[in-house]
Amino acid sequence: KQEVTQIPAALSVPEGENLVLNCSFTDSAIYNLQWFRQDPGKGLTSLLLIQSSQREQTSGRLNASLDKSSGRSTLYIAASQPGDSATYLCAVITDSWGKLQFGAGTQVVVTP
Amino acid sequence: SQTIHQWPATLVQPVGSPLSLECTVEGTSNPNLYWYRQAAGRGLQLLFYSVGIGQISSEVPQNLSASRPQDRQFILSSKKLLLSDSGFYLCAYHSGLGSYNEQFFGPGTRLTVL
Repeated sequence: KQEVTQIPAALSVPEGENLVLNCSFTDSAIYNLQWFRQDPGKGLTSLLLIQSSQREQTSGRLNASLDKSSGRSTLYIAASQPGDSATYLCAVITDSWGKLQFGAGTQVVVTP
Repeated sequence: SQTIHQWPATLVQPVGSPLSLECTVEGTSNPNLYWYRQAAGRGLQLLFYSVGIGQISSEVPQNLSASRPQDRQFILSSKKLLLSDSGFYLCAYHSGLGSYNEQFFGPGTRLTVL
C-alpha cells in the first residue's frame, strides 16, 4: 500500500530564506506527483505537477524535483515571503483514474 | 476558463439528519470528479471518484454515498449523519486526457455534526 510522508510537520523561517520541503513515498510506481498549498479553512491550490518521466518542474520561485527510484520529491521555494505561510501538501497519483494519495502536509510560517 | 464550485460553504447538522453537498465544474467536459474529506488532525482521504455520468466508485466504506446526475455535477449524500462525518469536504476534478491527471480543488464545505 502506498504511503506518503512529509517531514518536517512544521517549519518556521525568517523572511528571505529558502524553503525546502520534503516528500517521500513507498511505492515508486506512481503516475505523477502534485504539490499543493492550503491556506487555513480554504481549499487546495495546485502549485506544480511533475510527470513520472520528469525530474523537475519550475514555476516562478517554486521548483520541485522528483526521484522516483528513491521515492522522494522536494519542493524548493526561493526567497520566502510572509505570504508563503501556509500548509504544503504533496500527493502521488497512483493510477490512471487519477486518484491522489496525500501526505499529512508541512505547515510553514515565514516571519517578517 | 475552468472553475469549480461547492455549496454550501458551511453546514451544521444534527446527528441523524440527511446530507446533500453539491459540486459543479464549469469550462470542461467529461471531467473525472472526486470527493475528499479532511477530518480534524487527519490527512486528506479520497471518498469517491467518478469517470462519467452515473459511474461512481467508492474508496472507503461508510454511510456516505455519491451521485453524478449530470456531466459536471457531483453530489455527496447521507441518509443519517454520524458525529464522525464532521470534517472539511473537498471536491476536485481533472480534465482527462492530456491533463496528466492534474487535479484542481473547490473551496470546500465545512460540515459540523452535533
